[in-house]
Amino acid sequence: EPEVTQTPSHQVTQMGQEVILRCVPISNHLYFYWYRQILGQKVEFLVSFYNNEISEKSEIFDDQFSVERPDGSNFTLKIRSTKLEDSAMYFCASSHGGLGAEQYFGPGTRLTVT
Amino acid sequence: QKEVEQNSGPLSVPEGAIASLNCTYSDRGSQSFFWYRQYSGKSPELIMSIYSNGDKEDGRFTAQLNKASQYVSLLIRDSQPSDSATYLCAVNQGAQKLVFGQGTRLTINP
Repeated sequence: EPEVTQTPSHQVTQMGQEVILRCVPISNHLYFYWYRQILGQKVEFLVSFYNNEISEKSEIFDDQFSVERPDGSNFTLKIRSTKLEDSAMYFCASSHGGLGAEQYFGPGTRLTVT
Repeated sequence: QKEVEQNSGPLSVPEGAIASLNCTYSDRGSQSFFWYRQYSGKSPELIMSIYSNGDKEDGRFTAQLNKASQYVSLLIRDSQPSDSATYLCAVNQGAQKLVFGQGTRLTINP
């Protein structure tokens, strides 16, 4: 069964450093998403991406964040200058359709900022 | 932001019984509703989607939707210890954004 994959599973970085989290969505899916979950808190939407552009983003997704689909398979989330409060699980998800479509989540990357 | 509310639990149910999980949402315009299961330290796993008022059954799981009351529920029949997890209610808001509830922690006691 196709699944979303993410690398790395765990990333430790120092405050102020740039990190890139990588995702390979399900191959025939067209919509891609990033969510995050701070320990003990709700899963929060960050951004959705379709047709090589951002279609929706949350207030969390400020200028420090960017997304890219550098090739036909990868989807990346970059955090330019990490802060302590960026420590969280970051989940990539993908869906075949847009509005109301089922979203399938990857295993997540645990980001620890020290 | 429009909210999705769940009782955080923990909800404790004996093995073989029916577990009932509830969720309310505030955005009356929401059209798509999802239940995810999340084991500790893992990612959300899609269990059910529901789009129309009424019941939708898939194996031991039944999702129920009442848009007038802004209420979604999930029933798990014949509960198994492996069903012990946190269950997340998610509601589609805007074009693609999912808004999640806090989750209900369910424990099935053998």
